[in-house]
Amino acid sequence: GAVVSQHPSRVICKSGTSVKIECRSLDFQATTMFWYRQFPKKSLMLMATSNEGSKATYEQGVEKDKFLINHASLTLSTLTVTSAHPEDSSFYICSATRTGQETQYFGPGTRLLVL
Amino acid sequence: AQSVTQPDIHITVSEGASLELRCNYSYGATPYLFWYVQSPGQGLQLLLKYFSGDTLVQGIKGFEAEFKRSQSSFNPRKPSVHWSDAAEYFCASHGSGNTGKLIFGQGTTLQVKP
Repeated sequence: GAVVSQHPSRVICKSGTSVKIECRSLDFQATTMFWYRQFPKKSLMLMATSNEGSKATYEQGVEKDKFLINHASLTLSTLTVTSAHPEDSSFYICSATRTGQETQYFGPGTRLLVL
Repeated sequence: AQSVTQPDIHITVSEGASLELRCNYSYGATPYLFWYVQSPGQGLQLLLKYFSGDTLVQGIKGFEAEFKRSQSSFNPRKPSVHWSDAAEYFCASHGSGNTGKLIFGQGTTLQVKP
């Protein structure tokens, strides 16, 4: 159990367009989901914490109007990169925790390339 | 402030040799300690975790780790490394408060020589 999926796994888009990434908990309910960004050969940088039914909490330095997060159900959170630019190219990973538990289970990641 | 530090950026071991990964934690009263493994281009897979109870923990892929409070350590060991163990390994712990947010170490890249 505790499987988290992400879609798409890889996306290429033109500069100025918006891209939506989905994060789903497949076999459990996730009250909280987290969105991370990972640069090559670097650790994970937490972008925001997403709680079902409420606004996401963004980490310092992360633009909430650029990285829109929606957590509309207990199994789905979405990250929309608005007006994407080449510097937004990165590996985006989500994680989810079962309600009342501490362990984060990670999705397989989404590779975004903005041309 | 709580911190998580991995002193080894890169480790190379021969296949069949033993392995120990290192992480230095600082944490509050209750440690929530995790190790994750990441294969190239993949997400993170939970390797081991420790919250409380028995200090010797069995993880996946033949890893085990012992929580040593006096040393603030929770270092995974494997007696015989396989080529498939080559990956990036991250330790993590909860940050302060009860937000559930993880603080990650910088990562250790494990290379396995044939």
